[in-house]
Amino acid sequence: KNQVEQSPQSLIILEGKNCTLQCNYTVSPFSNLRWYKQDTGRGPVSLTIMTFSENTKSNGRYTATLDADTKQSSLHITASQLSDSASYICVVSFGTASKLTFGTGTRLQVTL
Amino acid sequence: NAGVTQTPKFQVLKTGQSMTLQCAQDMNHEYMSWYRQDPGMGLRLIHYSVGAGITDQGEVPNGYNVSRSTTEDFPLRLLSAAPSQTSVYFCASSYGTSGYTDTQYFGPGTRLTVL
Repeated sequence: KNQVEQSPQSLIILEGKNCTLQCNYTVSPFSNLRWYKQDTGRGPVSLTIMTFSENTKSNGRYTATLDADTKQSSLHITASQLSDSASYICVVSFGTASKLTFGTGTRLQVTL
Repeated sequence: NAGVTQTPKFQVLKTGQSMTLQCAQDMNHEYMSWYRQDPGMGLRLIHYSVGAGITDQGEVPNGYNVSRSTTEDFPLRLLSAAPSQTSVYFCASSYGTSGYTDTQYFGPGTRLTVL
């Protein structure tokens, strides 16, 4: 069964600090991996999309990495801001847009 | 562009009632889909459409119907609401029909409670 596991489930960090969120998947065959940010009460917003041939993708202070051999991805957030407080969802595709497997997300809280 | 819009934002139904969740996008996207999000679970695909007049089932289609008469609109109908359908519903769209690397744009969600 295709699965996407994210860790940690939740995380609290101080403003200005860096953090790394993890995503392990068992989806096969693998097409692409996406990271989304979901603010409370809002829909997910795309941060990055990586195909199997890409091992890193940046979007401002967000940098995603992918190791297709070990089936692991990470999302690194640099110099965190209060507005980074949200859930971060890892999504793995094994084909078309209808073939997405969503992780349960990591809940990040950035505090003063 | 308004992006993806959903109405209503909140809805309370009684068991057995029917209703339609509305979804519209103004980006001329071919691909549209409906997901539900439940606590402790990842988003799950209910139904999707690759263009006007074409729909297909996702992972959890039972109890829901869809139609796609225009490119812009993709309503989700609950035929006879059950408490198990209490959830947050998201509509999403993307430009391409394959969705290979297309960015999906999500609506703000509809929070549905079935009593």
